[in-house]
Amino acid sequence: ETGVTQTPRHLVMGMTNKKSLKCEQHLGHNAMYWYKQSAKKPLELMFVYNFKEQTENNSVPSRFSPECPNSSHLFLHLHTLQPEDSALYLCASSPAGGMNTEAFFGQGTRLTVV
Amino acid sequence: DQQVKQNSPSLSVQEGRISILNCDYTNSMFDYFLWYKKYPAEGPTFLISISSIKDKNEDGRFTVFLNKSAKHLSLHIVPSQPGDSAVYFCAASARGGNFNKFYFGSGTKLNVKP
Repeated sequence: ETGVTQTPRHLVMGMTNKKSLKCEQHLGHNAMYWYKQSAKKPLELMFVYNFKEQTENNSVPSRFSPECPNSSHLFLHLHTLQPEDSALYLCASSPAGGMNTEAFFGQGTRLTVV
Repeated sequence: DQQVKQNSPSLSVQEGRISILNCDYTNSMFDYFLWYKKYPAEGPTFLISISSIKDKNEDGRFTVFLNKSAKHLSLHIVPSQPGDSAVYFCAASARGGNFNKFYFGSGTKLNVKP
């Protein structure tokens, strides 16, 4: 248990569906991240939020829409996805403040787009 | 452009022997380096880290070595145990204002044979 919880753990959606991934952390961290992990590829940083403000959008297609209502919650809204978007989506958090620290990951959402 | 590279997708080691996992990076601005361990269907969990001001950090069976001039780090596990079988991700961190950005390699799948 890392203190970062992601729901759902598994999601199958059609290309015309709209769904949302949820991430919640109880670690008191102020930085939250979305990563995408595809098979045999590095974890790809998608978005970073720091104190609820989006500070990084790593050229992510607009069919992925993040939302961070507060420092403890992070969402990834999905719409009109493509089959190649099927991957493991990981949420992470870390303390802000510029100190060297690690990121704490949730267990991920395994997304399959059909 | 991939800034953190793990060139060995897999490694097989006999139980009790040493496992050496390697990682290279290209960005000289990275000042903190981490290793994560990932089991199937779980998120990555933090294993060990090293600051750029050090060249070695040891924690039990795990030792990370950093060679800044070569932009290379390695993780040594000795003695290796079957429970160490997992995917190991190397990560590097750079400060983005008052939060950290984490860049990951593609992972090395370690198999420790009994």
